[in-house]
Amino acid sequence: DVKVTQSSRYLVKRTGEKVFLECVQDMDHENMFWYRQDPGLGLRLIYFSYDVKMKEKGDIPEGYSVSREKKERFSLILESASTNQTSMYLCASRLLREKSYEQYFGPGTRLTVT
Amino acid sequence: GENVEQHPSTLSVQEGDSAVIKCTYSDSASNYFPWYKQELGKGPQLIIDIRSNVGEKKDQRIAVTLNKTAKHFSLHITETQPEDSAVYFCAASDSGGYQKVTFGTGTKLQVIP
Repeated sequence: DVKVTQSSRYLVKRTGEKVFLECVQDMDHENMFWYRQDPGLGLRLIYFSYDVKMKEKGDIPEGYSVSREKKERFSLILESASTNQTSMYLCASRLLREKSYEQYFGPGTRLTVT
Repeated sequence: GENVEQHPSTLSVQEGDSAVIKCTYSDSASNYFPWYKQELGKGPQLIIDIRSNVGEKKDQRIAVTLNKTAKHFSLHITETQPEDSAVYFCAASDSGGYQKVTFGTGTKLQVIP
């Protein structure tokens, strides 16, 4: 089974702090994604990485950056956390095969910025 | 970019009844339409998907239909069971090199025993 793990289930940070959310997948998937999930807004794509050291902005990249130095790890960075970044953050990975574009999600990190 | 609208936002059905969730998309170039189920405390998990060259797909009690002309697709769950209670997301993926996926806003399904 594919396993996507996220470093924390719950995180509380203060406004202005630099925050790192880590995601690791164990299936050698090329693609990795960061989403945030908010009630009534669904899943919104923050950044994705097509392969190692590659990154593309999603729909809401402002206030975030990412790092992918190794294939299995994709980090989301909040340079200076703000209260409007309080949310559930979901990481996903995907193996782009011809017949399957399935994304495998981690359990999520609920981040609270106070 | 792609825009996916999903309705209803909440749905309550009696156990054994059917449930239908509807989505529309805006980009006629989208060619892949997955449905994900998110149980409480977990990440979303793919339950069924359909490609643009197919009009309908079934997997046991779950079926998805696609109308490319009208740009809408639907999830049908028959003989609902309490374990079907979850949040369901539809999505559409473009045909570009990155296969970017845009999700709907989610439907919270409650199956009442």
